[in-house]
Amino acid sequence: VQLVESGGGVVQPGRSLRLSCAASGFTFSAYGMHWVRQAPGKGLEWVAIIWYDGSNKYYTDSVKGRFTISRDDSKNTLYLQMNSLRAEDTAVYYCAREPVGTTFFDYWGQGTLVTVSS
Amino acid sequence: DIVMTQSPLSLPVTPGQPATVSCRSSQSLLHSNGYNYLNWYLQKPGQSPQLLIYLGSTRASGIPDRFSGSGSGTDFTLKISRVEAEDVGVYYCMQPLQTPYSFGQGTKLEIK
Repeated sequence: VQLVESGGGVVQPGRSLRLSCAASGFTFSAYGMHWVRQAPGKGLEWVAIIWYDGSNKYYTDSVKGRFTISRDDSKNTLYLQMNSLRAEDTAVYYCAREPVGTTFFDYWGQGTLVTVSS
Repeated sequence: DIVMTQSPLSLPVTPGQPATVSCRSSQSLLHSNGYNYLNWYLQKPGQSPQLLIYLGSTRASGIPDRFSGSGSGTDFTLKISRVEAEDVGVYYCMQPLQTPYSFGQGTKLEIK
């Protein structure tokens, strides 16, 4: 099982960025997927979930209307489109998988750093 | 939203001694199916988090039996029976009962 995030970098406030999480070693379409972030030196913050079939998506309040989670099962890839970025969005972003019928994250990626700064 | 509160935030422990981390939720995590929706994760230095305990008390695959979880409703505990050097890191409780999912602030375990 591998989850590899990419797409992070330095971006100015108000701009956009799209993160990707490439999955391998398992049947991607059978898992719910999450984004979790961690600001520098801080704790973990759950960001968003997309169900295994893409039928439902939920977000933490601070990113609603700005971030969009999506998945392309043909490419075994999870995405996070981040618009109207703010300084407080600066963090390492992890993707994590949730087996269907469970309530935990059993594998996490290594994370990708997003820095929002002018 | 459910707020998760951990204590202590810092936990110095002598190797071989036990350690306890507490986690309290602002709402009951007891699901109608009888399970408590409470997970524990460990983030070792420089690494991604890893699952330790799910449903309040079930050890994840490969987790040593010196780790145990207990509690119900709003009060939960993670116990390490005999701390080893490899257990250093930050321990987080997390509730997956309802969105937005939420983590505790983290408890940093260090070796004395």
